[in-house]
Amino acid sequence: AQKITQTQPGMFVQEKEAVTLDCTYDTSDQSYGLFWYKQPSSGEMIFLIYQGSYDEQNATEGRYSLNFQKARKSANLVISASQLGDSAMYFCAMREYNTNAGKSTFGDGTTLTVKP
Amino acid sequence: NAGVTQTPKFQVLKTGQSMTLQCAQDMNHEYMSWYRQDPGMGLRLIHYSVGAGITDQGEVPNGYNVSRSTTEDFPLRLLSAAPSQTSVYFCASSEGLAAYEQYFGPGTRLTVT
Repeated sequence: AQKITQTQPGMFVQEKEAVTLDCTYDTSDQSYGLFWYKQPSSGEMIFLIYQGSYDEQNATEGRYSLNFQKARKSANLVISASQLGDSAMYFCAMREYNTNAGKSTFGDGTTLTVKP
Repeated sequence: NAGVTQTPKFQVLKTGQSMTLQCAQDMNHEYMSWYRQDPGMGLRLIHYSVGAGITDQGEVPNGYNVSRSTTEDFPLRLLSAAPSQTSVYFCASSEGLAAYEQYFGPGTRLTVT
């Protein structure tokens, strides 16, 4: 079974609007971390936001927020006020700290296109 | 700090050739990993290390070797290149097992013909 599922291969959003990128995960570990990375067309991996499994509040970093629903095992990324520079591939990832030695598992990504 | 550096940026190999992809970090991070990214896909873990002298396999280790003789360096060796190893390779490091951020290198684009 896939540990990280991103069901949206591609998404479009109008500039200045908000967009939600979906991510569901599967783990039996009680201690894990969820991450979102951005990969622009230039290819580098840019860390965006982190949510720990024990964090009670949803993580926020500027225009990025993570909608963490632990019981549903979902960790959706919300980008507010989209900008043209947000057009990129976005990856959800998980690190399992107890059962998987902190190894990371990545989803297949969502390509976001911001329209002017 | 230079962060995580990788060399070379691009490489073309013929089937059967061997080579080493270099990775170095100057942040004194204990945890280092190698990933490959195939077109249109996410990253898959090849090998990782939790400290000097300690390495372990990830999801797709076949055809690759690693060693970790120092904290700073984590080279990835392709033993006998195959076209299926054509990919972009990323090295990453983090402070430790439970660190919340991995720092990625710029990647090496490898083509095997």
